[in-house]
Order: sequence, then structure tokens, then C-alpha cells
Amino acid sequence: GAGVSQTPSNKVTEKGKYVELRCDPISGHTALYWYRQSLGQGPEFLIYFQGTGAADDSGLPNDRFFAVRPEGSVSTLKIQRTERGDSAVYLCASSHGTDEQFFGPGTRLTVL
Amino acid sequence: GQNIDQPTEMTATEGAIVQINCTYQTSGFNGLFWYQQHAGEAPTFLSYNVLDGLEEKGRFSSFLSRSKGYSYLLLKELQMKDSASYLCAVMDSGAGSYQLTFGKGTKLSVIP
Repeated sequence: GAGVSQTPSNKVTEKGKYVELRCDPISGHTALYWYRQSLGQGPEFLIYFQGTGAADDSGLPNDRFFAVRPEGSVSTLKIQRTERGDSAVYLCASSHGTDEQFFGPGTRLTVL
Repeated sequence: GQNIDQPTEMTATEGAIVQINCTYQTSGFNGLFWYQQHAGEAPTFLSYNVLDGLEEKGRFSSFLSRSKGYSYLLLKELQMKDSASYLCAVMDSGAGSYQLTFGKGTKLSVIP
């Protein structure tokens, strides 16, 4: 594909529900990142994958958040027992090594 | 930890030059990035500095001083389409981590 894609573009859920957000990185990019952006803020790092493994998950706010990348390409961010404070735009980015990170359009998550 | 400061908002006139400053305090440093983000869209890469000095790319230039923890983004010949948020981000040099730590962004308004 031409760029990073994310689905869904918008997700509305109720407090306490489980959600999955998907990211398709640029083909050939081994590094994949998840960020979260709240209104008026810069993106906040969540987790970084190098290949299939989570090389750095220090940004995950708590154990309700989990992410996988089983085949080293597509990644899924999973949020259990969603809370209203989880509402944000979730951005995925990919890169080739330490080169610039290319961002997807994001998934806007709203927890009611 | 990392601390990145940039002005919240700036206004400039079409055709003029504007400089957006960014100061940072980091525990590790592996480069400084500038991204442009239009409202409701993903951040797009503008520039990368890892060594001191000025990097020029068309109408956009970026400067870095590592000893001062300071960078600026210079936009020349401003156009209305340059109205956007400009994000300063530092790449950590911690072992195995290439996460970006972003500032809150500077919202630039270009007026006729």
C-alpha cells in the first residue's frame, strides 16, 4: 500500500466494553509504533514493535492496554474495560529503522 | 524523562517568514524531528536534525543546537495552506527504543 492505514477510522463504544484497533504499516517497514493523541496535545508514545516483538511497551498506561503484531506486519491495539479517559485519537506509525516515522490517519475512539 | 516546550499559538501573514522555537530537556538524544499536522489529519514529516546546524528543504528549514537543547523551524514565503500545528519531537536514544516524545504543538495561523 501507499501509506499506513488504520481501521476503523472512528469507533464509538460504551464504558466497560472491549475494542480492537488495527494498523497496516507500510510494506517492508520493520518498526511499528502506537501513539495516542488527545485534543490540543502532541502524540503520546504507547508501544514500539521491531518485527513481531514489542521492543518497548513503557508507554502503555495500564494493563487494560495490549498490542500484538504476530506476523511482523499488521498490528492490533486492544483495550479492555474501556473508560471515558481512553477517548482519544490512536495513531499508528511505521518506519524503516530510525528513519522518519510515517503516520496513519488514526482511529478516533469515543467512550461514552 | 523528557520535557519539550514550544509556543502554543502563533500568527503570521501570508508571504512572511515565521520561526517556531522548541526547547528540550532529555535523558537521551537521537535526533529531533518536526512534523506538520493539519486539523483532523495525521502528522506528516517535515525535517530531521541529529547534528548541530541548519537543514534546508525548500521553504522549510530546521536548526539544531544540542548544547543548548534548542531547535527552530523556519517557514518562508508563508502560504495559507501552512496553517496547521507544528510538532517538535525528540527521539530517545535509550537502548532498543526509537520512540518519539512530542511537544504539545504550535498552532500556526496564516492570515491574508
